[in-house]
Amino acid sequence: SAVISQKPSRDICQRGTSLTIQCQVDSQVTMMFWYRQQPGQSLTLIATANQGSEATYESGFVIDKFPISRPNLTFSTLTVSNMSPEDSSIYLCSAQTRGTNTEAFFGQGTRLTVV
Amino acid sequence: EDQVTQSPEALRLQEGESSSLNCSYTVSGLRGLFWYRQDPGKGPEFLFTLYSAGEEKEKERLKATLTKKESFLHITAPKPEDSATYLCAVHRFTGTYKYIFGTGTRLKVLA
Repeated sequence: SAVISQKPSRDICQRGTSLTIQCQVDSQVTMMFWYRQQPGQSLTLIATANQGSEATYESGFVIDKFPISRPNLTFSTLTVSNMSPEDSSIYLCSAQTRGTNTEAFFGQGTRLTVV
Repeated sequence: EDQVTQSPEALRLQEGESSSLNCSYTVSGLRGLFWYRQDPGKGPEFLFTLYSAGEEKEKERLKATLTKKESFLHITAPKPEDSATYLCAVHRFTGTYKYIFGTGTRLKVLA
């Protein structure tokens, strides 16, 4: 398994500003994922971040709005840019550990409120 | 199109009343099916991985099973602390790896 630390745990931001969410894993991982979860709903994949390559974004999500960095095998950041109230959500970082198992583990999430 | 559907959306049980949650899927390139538990305000907590039809996994009062089209999470004699949202996810590879999540079942166990 992997322990994933996500910061900040919550934030309230003004519209038009940007917030960077950090995700730190306690072991080297192959793939990291960023999700958004609206209250009472399931997880929507924003993008997949692999070390040494550009992130792969899902339909409806673009790099200019959600730039992602993956500088090494244990760390990634997601920036929510030029925020609007519609960006209010829980953002979750996830990682798939190396090896034959394919399960992914999650951080505790960042609860973002845009006012 | 890849799809994961969970039922029921919500379930209320009396303590000790056993039941099952369903996860049906249509996915190409399936590599595994996962069950997670999510408590309010927290990230999903990994429970089980199932890789092939006929496989079963158990953990305390929970038992997960898998067929070619669906998975069940059986909860035996649940306790109030089992109250949570249970998420099913499939891991598929069709050129890229991707996890597809269902919408979850909100379980409430009453004392």
